Amino acid sequence: ELKVEQNPLFLSMQEGKNYTIYCNYSTTSDRLYWYRQDPGKSLESLFVLLSNGAVKQEGRLMASLDTKARLSTLHITAAVHDLSATYFCAVDTQKPGTYKYIFGTGTRLKVLA
Amino acid sequence: NAGVTQTPKFQVLKTGQSMTLQCAQDMNHNSMYWYRQDPGMGLRLIYYSASEGTTDKGEVPNGYNVSRLNKREFSLRLESAAPSQTSVYFCASSALGRVGTGELFFGEGSRLTVL
Repeated sequence: ELKVEQNPLFLSMQEGKNYTIYCNYSTTSDRLYWYRQDPGKSLESLFVLLSNGAVKQEGRLMASLDTKARLSTLHITAAVHDLSATYFCAVDTQKPGTYKYIFGTGTRLKVLA
Repeated sequence: NAGVTQTPKFQVLKTGQSMTLQCAQDMNHNSMYWYRQDPGMGLRLIYYSASEGTTDKGEVPNGYNVSRLNKREFSLRLESAAPSQTSVYFCASSALGRVGTGELFFGEGSRLTVL
């Protein structure tokens, strides 16, 4: 059964600091997704990583994927308050005809001014 | 650009009552999903439909039924609501398999309280 684990679950950091969120998954997959959720809102797609070694960057966020290690990272550079949100990673099962997406438990990020 | 539309956005039920959450997407996606979100639990897959005419159980299907009415619509039914089903429910859709990026698009969510 596919399991997806994120750590840390909670992260409080000062503005201007760097940090990394980790996402580990249990079975073979070469596609991984990162989402952002603001309180009381829906999920917004951040990154889609489609192959081993994929790296995507948007502003202060950079995501990477290592399929051999079954690990993705979301790196935050010089955090700002606007990045405060909950971040989820998700993996799809990649079984033809039965694609389903399993989510990690999320990392709640709070950036302190 | 409606994307994924869910109704209702809020609902309060009494234990034992039934209700249906409606979901429609206008992106011509094959796959549709229902998730529930509880504090500290992330998103858990209830049911999904990989294509029109098929539905499958996810991680937490007990107490729910689904109907893929057509390619656009995927409904979630609670036959006899229980307090444990108090949650926020999200519908999502994606292009199937290797078509496109496989990215999931979410509705705004339906907040359900069962008393």
